Amino acid sequence: AQKVTQAQTEISVVEKEDVTLDCVYETRDTTYYLFWYKQPPSGELVFLIRRNSFDEQNEISGRYSWNFQKSTSSFNFTITASQVVDSAVYFCALKGNAGNMLTFGGGTRLMVKP
Amino acid sequence: EAGVTQFPSHSVIEKGQTVTLRCDPISGHDNLYWYRRVMGKEIKFLLHFVKESKQDESGMPNNRFLAERTGGTYSTLKVQPAELEDSGVYFCASSQGTWTVYGKNIQYFGAGTRLSVL
Repeated sequence: AQKVTQAQTEISVVEKEDVTLDCVYETRDTTYYLFWYKQPPSGELVFLIRRNSFDEQNEISGRYSWNFQKSTSSFNFTITASQVVDSAVYFCALKGNAGNMLTFGGGTRLMVKP
Repeated sequence: EAGVTQFPSHSVIEKGQTVTLRCDPISGHDNLYWYRRVMGKEIKFLLHFVKESKQDESGMPNNRFLAERTGGTYSTLKVQPAELEDSGVYFCASSQGTWTVYGKNIQYFGAGTRLSVL
């Protein structure tokens, strides 16, 4: 069975602070994919990043960065110099080797205050 | 290019009634997925279509739920009769390909339909 845990249900920061959203996953598959999605107040899930299990390189995209560590089964997401527009619910998800379904974590609600 | 669109955005019905949710995928996307998030729980997979065929319906909770995708375009998800525990947000997603086609398998989601069963 696969599982994704986002231990932080809610985080509140002040604008310009850095914030890290944690994601820990469980799978027995050797090949798998990890994702982050953002859900702004409008409701749709916006794709942010996909990482496969063979690529442990960290990735940076503007103020966003992702730290994938297989040794700790974690795929953490950091927002640098947070902005009010970053306020949203963020979901981490896992796709295993079989099937096409995504297994989601419970989500982390990020509130960035001005 | 239009994203995944879902109708209605919100539906309020009474227990025992029937509700039909609709999803229009991104044009050209053969793969369509339904997920739902019930209150306080994670987003859970329901089923996956490839064109008009059901590829995987392992997440469908029971036979009160019926999904169709006639002609391989839009999809509907019917709940009949609705129960209180069916309340939640129903998400639809689509992808161009499946996992054997690198780069075309990202699932793009709609804004969901919030279903409230009273």
